[in-house]
Amino acid sequence: KAGVTQTPRYLIKTRGQQVTLSCSPISGHRSVSWYQQTPGQGLQFLFEYFSETQRNKGNFPGRFSGRQFSNSRSEMNVSTLELGDSALYLCASSRGSGYTFGSGTRLTVV
Amino acid sequence: GQQLNQSPQSMFIQEGEDVSMNCTSSSIFNTWLWYKQDPGEGPVLLIALYKAGELTSNGRLTAQFGITRKDSFLNISASIPSDVGIYFCAGQHMDSNYQLIWGAGTKLIIKP
Repeated sequence: KAGVTQTPRYLIKTRGQQVTLSCSPISGHRSVSWYQQTPGQGLQFLFEYFSETQRNKGNFPGRFSGRQFSNSRSEMNVSTLELGDSALYLCASSRGSGYTFGSGTRLTVV
Repeated sequence: GQQLNQSPQSMFIQEGEDVSMNCTSSSIFNTWLWYKQDPGEGPVLLIALYKAGELTSNGRLTAQFGITRKDSFLNISASIPSDVGIYFCAGQHMDSNYQLIWGAGTKLIIKP
């Protein structure tokens, strides 16, 4: 059974650019959540999508956006990147209350 | 956003020792989850709890859903080097619209 797949695994971007990260959930999982994790920090919730609709949203600026497709795959976009956006971005999928995480995308902004 | 109070923040222990950590909340939760994260990887679900008072084991790990529904505990018996990592608690309460609320993590370090 395939797990949650995040691409790319690593990414280096320049300040001011925009970036799109992808997440393919476990088959049958309709909920996809995104988190930001900076070194030594916990998981900061970005947003959650369920059946192509944003169901929950964290306290991040509007530069962070996401969407979910009909096959439950999800993307998140960060526009006008800042140095502070450097982090591990994790997505997690769920069919109920237990969430399965991908390995994350390590974004470095230079 | 709302966070759970997870303690301790970090632990230095000897191999073979037992470990205990806990999470508390001011809200009543209907689900508690415990995750472990290795460096550079996503968290992995260890134990899920769905009923007040529930005690569940996964190998050397045991977790309990507090009877007040406002806390949960994770115990690791006879720690080994591969137990090193960050342990997170997470929960859902009735008003969270399925959103998980997370603790800040407990970093487990084994002394050589």
